[in-house]
Amino acid sequence: AQKVTQAQTEISVVEKEDVTLDCVYETRDTTYYLFWYKQPPSGELVFLIRRNSFDEQNEISGRYSWNFQKSTSSFNFTITASQVVDSAVYFCALSKNAGGTSYGKLTFGQGTILTVHP
Amino acid sequence: DAGVTQSPTHLIKTRGQQVTLRCSPKSGHDTVSWYQQALGQGPQFIFQYYEEEERQRGNFPDRFSGHQFPNYSSELNVNALLLGDSALYLCASTPGVANYGYTFGSGTRLTVV
Repeated sequence: AQKVTQAQTEISVVEKEDVTLDCVYETRDTTYYLFWYKQPPSGELVFLIRRNSFDEQNEISGRYSWNFQKSTSSFNFTITASQVVDSAVYFCALSKNAGGTSYGKLTFGQGTILTVHP
Repeated sequence: DAGVTQSPTHLIKTRGQQVTLRCSPKSGHDTVSWYQQALGQGPQFIFQYYEEEERQRGNFPDRFSGHQFPNYSSELNVNALLLGDSALYLCASTPGVANYGYTFGSGTRLTVV
């Protein structure tokens, strides 16, 4: 069975602070995908990143960066110089990767509510 | 380029009734999945459709059923509604069965009274 744990229920920061959202996962699969999604008040889940389990390189995209550590089963997400527009619920998710036969069911964590104050 | 479109946006039903929710996937996407998101929780996988067949199912009772049409659009049906079915129902689409990163719709907010 797969499981994703986001231990931080809510985080509150002041604009321009850096913030890290933690994600720990459990899976018996040898290959898998990890994801981060953002859910603004409108409800739509916005795709941020997909990481394959055999690619442990950290990734940076603008103010966003991701730290994937297979040894600790963690896939943490850092926002640098946070902005009010970053306020949302952030979800970490996991899916099996069975090559072309994968049906891609996503297992989500409980989410972290991020509030950035001006 | 339209993303995933869901209808209706909001819905109020009475216990015991039946409901149908609709989803049009993003252009070029042929795989549709449905998720239930209770308030304050992460989305839970209901089922996935590809080539008009249910390919994978989560831990939901048979009261939850679905359909995919030849144009890839999909419906989610819930029979004998319970108060606990109140949630945001999200539709997500992706090209093919491999998970390249789903595109989600804004969801249908279902309230059962």
